[in-house]
Amino acid sequence: DAKTTQPPSMDCAEGRAANLPCNHSTISGNEYVYWYRQIHSQGPQYIIHGLKNNETNEMASLIITEDRKSSTLILPHATLRDTAVYYCIVRHRDDKIIFGKGTRLHILP
Amino acid sequence: NAGVTQTPKFRVLKTGQSMTLLCAQDMNHEYMYWYRQDPGMGLRLIHYSVGEGTTAKGEVPDGYNVSRLKKQNFLLGLESAAPSQTSVYFCASTRERAWTGEQYFGPGTRLTVT
Repeated sequence: DAKTTQPPSMDCAEGRAANLPCNHSTISGNEYVYWYRQIHSQGPQYIIHGLKNNETNEMASLIITEDRKSSTLILPHATLRDTAVYYCIVRHRDDKIIFGKGTRLHILP
Repeated sequence: NAGVTQTPKFRVLKTGQSMTLLCAQDMNHEYMYWYRQDPGMGLRLIHYSVGEGTTAKGEVPDGYNVSRLKKQNFLLGLESAAPSQTSVYFCASTRERAWTGEQYFGPGTRLTVT
């Protein structure tokens, strides 16, 4: 089963791009990479997902390396409201989605 | 659409008491999930359901039971609550197989067992 590794915390200045890394070196060919975030005490919120190609939506961009062993979530212009815990998730073959501890992102004013 | 709703929002139980948490979704989603989140931890999957009338165990199923009698509802039961079950419980749903679609989460139920 693929596992993910994320730094426990990161800081980013308001208005700058926040780049959150995720390692998933054992990912299988048909497994997707998902990103969610959880703002304090709320339910997690879906951000973006991808398989092989880079993806972009109104919230963020997802860059997946060619070997698919790592990815980066990019918040292009971070605001204070982006302060949250960000989870990188890879689908398990037995249909369970496992959340790790994530990265606590602090946006600094 | 109300999305995913959870009842109740808060509850305090004494050890040994029982209760049922209700999750409801109005998006006609097939898949539903129950997670727990302990302080400073990520979410852990308790049970999930891939359709009406079906349930399956997740990472931490012990001490919990679930039922999916109607497609829109997923119930989580604690038969004999223990202090170790003090946690925030989140319900989620997806339209299809979760790895190709986003999960929608409810606001959570904060449970304290004394």
